[in-house]
Amino acid sequence: DAGITQSPRHKVTETGTPVTLRCHQTENHRYMYWYRQDPGHGLRLIHYSYGVKDTDKGEVSDGYSVSRSKTEDFLLTLESATSSQTSVYFCAITGRGGIDEQFFGPGTRLTVL
Amino acid sequence: AQTVTQSQPEMSVQEAETVTLSCTYDTSESDYYLFWYKQPPSRQMILVIRQEAYKQQNATENRFSVNFQKAAKSFSLKISDSQLGDAAMYFCAYRNTGNQFYFGTGTSLTVIP
Repeated sequence: DAGITQSPRHKVTETGTPVTLRCHQTENHRYMYWYRQDPGHGLRLIHYSYGVKDTDKGEVSDGYSVSRSKTEDFLLTLESATSSQTSVYFCAITGRGGIDEQFFGPGTRLTVL
Repeated sequence: AQTVTQSQPEMSVQEAETVTLSCTYDTSESDYYLFWYKQPPSRQMILVIRQEAYKQQNATENRFSVNFQKAAKSFSLKISDSQLGDAAMYFCAYRNTGNQFYFGTGTSLTVIP
């Protein structure tokens, strides 16, 4: 299995509080991604990174920010959590591009009350 | 942005029978990559099969095969000799040359003993 972990695995928080999710990889892969998974929507891209300090927005980036100061870590921050951000969040990594698959972390279940 | 459509939210198949899951996508690119992922109740995303758009030959992995129709922008997954362990949510995914991935909304497969 690809070395990719997410922390925390579960979190319950209140509306208006900041939340940071961490993705850590040991594969030295260039590309890292954050998705959210909701029933009926599949996986939707929030942000992705193509290198240290190089990030870009995905299709559902509003209310989220990211940072990547080291190759192995990709942080997702909800500046002020809302109930609509209750979801399961997945981090994924991929290497060279092309036919290379994405490897996924185990997911973080976030509940915003 | 590319879109991926899975028109079958739920499918069922008898054990040992064959089932086909459909996927269509919309793109103006000629070079891209397609994937099928499986997500069992454990939530872990597992690669099932992949296909390069420039290859006409359909990919095969043991009991899993695809029917790739580039002109029709169709990428269906065939599961032969279905097993109880095949029960899961299946996601079709598209990867563009910019290394962004787009996922369908998923098909929930039930295998009936």
